[in-house]
Amino acid sequence: QSALTQPASVSGSPGQSITISCTGTSSDVGSYNLVSWYQQHPGKAPKLMIYEVSKRPSGVSNRFSGSKSGNTASLTISGLQAEDEADYYCCSYAGSSLYVFGTGTKVTVL
Amino acid sequence: QVQLQESGPGLVKPSGTLSLTCAVSGGSISSSNWWSWVRQPPGKGLEWIGEIYHSGSTNYNPSLKSRVTISVDKSKNQFSLKLSSVTAADTAVYYCARAPMQELLGAFDIWGQGTMVTVSS
Repeated sequence: QSALTQPASVSGSPGQSITISCTGTSSDVGSYNLVSWYQQHPGKAPKLMIYEVSKRPSGVSNRFSGSKSGNTASLTISGLQAEDEADYYCCSYAGSSLYVFGTGTKVTVL
Repeated sequence: QVQLQESGPGLVKPSGTLSLTCAVSGGSISSSNWWSWVRQPPGKGLEWIGEIYHSGSTNYNPSLKSRVTISVDKSKNQFSLKLSSVTAADTAVYYCARAPMQELLGAFDIWGQGTMVTVSS
């Protein structure tokens, strides 16, 4: 099972919106609405930001939203803030009780 | 509030076995959740290792399956990871995480703080 493909880096100015893509295959992202997104600050554990493609856990800002089209899922951060600067990882259920993570994207707030 | 805490040796010799434990507090390991291990080599991305249910049922990443054993100890409310025949490539921060079965499907909603394991002689 290969890692899902994410851009290595994405940047934006405060207040702008950015979108991070997560490309898989018809065996994982394309087959299941079980894509999740995680935010990870340096030296910290990942934090769940989006689950089941577009749902937000309690306590996560509504500036974070998720979507999916075909084999590609996306995470959009609107109204970018300095605190959003972090690494972001997507994850998809891949069938047969397996999970696969994305390669990770470093978000920089200019 | 459920919390997870990893523990175990921070240094393992090549060809040896890495052994870690994840203690579950604030809730029961026998609840409707799968319990996973995820690792992250220095400067690299996350890799799912495998998971266990309190019944003892397990699922493993095929790339590691031949070397991984995950077990549960309900009496101590904890689960464990053993990775055999380790090499430098197994050097990583190891996280334990919870995957709920009845909500937040397919996601890891609670994570431990992580523990760094270095494979070196």
